[in-house]
Amino acid sequence: DTAVSQTPKYLVTQMGNDKSIKCEQNLGHDTMYWYKQDSKKFLKIMFSYNNKELIINETVPNRFSPKSPDKAHLNLHINSLELGDSAVYFCASSQYSQQISGRAKAGEQFFGPGTRLTVL
Amino acid sequence: GQSLEQPSEVTAVEGAIVQINCTYQTSGFYGLSWYQQHDGGAPTFLSYNGLDGLEETGRFSSFLSRSDSYGYLLLQELQMKDSASYFCAVRDRVYNQGGKLIFGQGTELSVKP
Repeated sequence: DTAVSQTPKYLVTQMGNDKSIKCEQNLGHDTMYWYKQDSKKFLKIMFSYNNKELIINETVPNRFSPKSPDKAHLNLHINSLELGDSAVYFCASSQYSQQISGRAKAGEQFFGPGTRLTVL
Repeated sequence: GQSLEQPSEVTAVEGAIVQINCTYQTSGFYGLSWYQQHDGGAPTFLSYNGLDGLEETGRFSSFLSRSDSYGYLLLQELQMKDSASYFCAVRDRVYNQGGKLIFGQGTELSVKP
């Protein structure tokens, strides 16, 4: 009964390749996120989708393209991988509508286990 | 710009009390969250303060002072399993932003026997 799951857990690839990471949540949440955590553990938001609509798109190279086929899934495709893309990528979800109404804690997000991407 | 400051590392002994401070400077503010992350693990939610004051959840408490742009996480009766990184995160108050969190750089807590 995993809440937020990601595949793969580890990804090792060569520079220039294209790769995808998949995320699924079974919490019934309406909002999903992608975060990047670098080697210094700095956690930065990349994208957010609410009900399949892109609502947050931080300053991320356009080699990164998120896709949300439905509310429960958010995938991340990365083209032309570079060394600097090596990091841990976390998917997260929250129930935004309940947070707005006060029925859920506004600052609570549920994170997946992460995908450790290594670009050689 | 947006910035959150917290100490990079803190060391304490089992059974002690430790306080991790967080000061923030952000364009919007809707509340302050705290997350715990063990090595190799995912961040997990600990607490949230939307209003000034203290929130208590078991051994953990969190405090917020909006006028001082300051908050802290208090961990009591420290246990070895509390050794982890602790992140404060500001919920940006931009409407319709789906709960955007801006994270601090994290505080690595080491609990010694």
